[in-house]
Amino acid sequence: GALVYQYPRRTICKSGTSMRMECQAVGFQATSVAWYRQSPQKTFELIALSTVNSAIKYEQNFTQEKFPISHPNLSFSSMTVLNAYLEDRGLYLCGARWGAHSQNTLYFGAGTRLSVL
Amino acid sequence: AQKVTQTQTSISVMEKTTVTMDCVYETQDSSYFLFWYKQTASGEIVFLIRQDSYKKENATVGHYSLNFQKPKSSIGLIITATQIEDSAVYFCAMRDLSSGSWQLIFGSGTQLTVMP
Repeated sequence: GALVYQYPRRTICKSGTSMRMECQAVGFQATSVAWYRQSPQKTFELIALSTVNSAIKYEQNFTQEKFPISHPNLSFSSMTVLNAYLEDRGLYLCGARWGAHSQNTLYFGAGTRLSVL
Repeated sequence: AQKVTQTQTSISVMEKTTVTMDCVYETQDSSYFLFWYKQTASGEIVFLIRQDSYKKENATVGHYSLNFQKPKSSIGLIITATQIEDSAVYFCAMRDLSSGSWQLIFGSGTQLTVMP
């Protein structure tokens, strides 16, 4: 099956500092990677969508200045949370998709849980 | 605007029984995709099953099946022969093609507890 790995699984950072999280697609080429944040209340917010050969598209309330994303190849993406504060807490999920019949399905990693002190 | 609603906050069932989780959606588009995911206690989100709106047949994967009622904008998830390890939060999600985006709209989730 599809494998999407995220690292680290958990991280704690001090308020005002930054942290980087990674997403690795194993065994398939991730033509698109979507970064989501799930709040402590379990609601999902799309942060941005990164598609190969296209500009990264950020959703409202999320900016490249705050959540810079790198998608250098078809198997790897990373996102940094800059100047993290309490409201940035949550589970950051990477969802990836590839071609053929599965192209409309997003497969998620286990997430990176961010706590901010 | 698209919207996905799961009215059941939590459900408890006995092991080896069948459970149905409800989901209704709103969309303006005639072509869309519906998904069910489960989130385990560790936070991992696992894709379970998908229904393409143009398909009349209900999707089935293993002991998961869907009850797709397009006129009612409803996509229920049916789990037969439930097992303890099916205990998780189940999310219904939708993506419609008209938005031109890859955004999945998620429901609020249903906590399923399977008891021995």
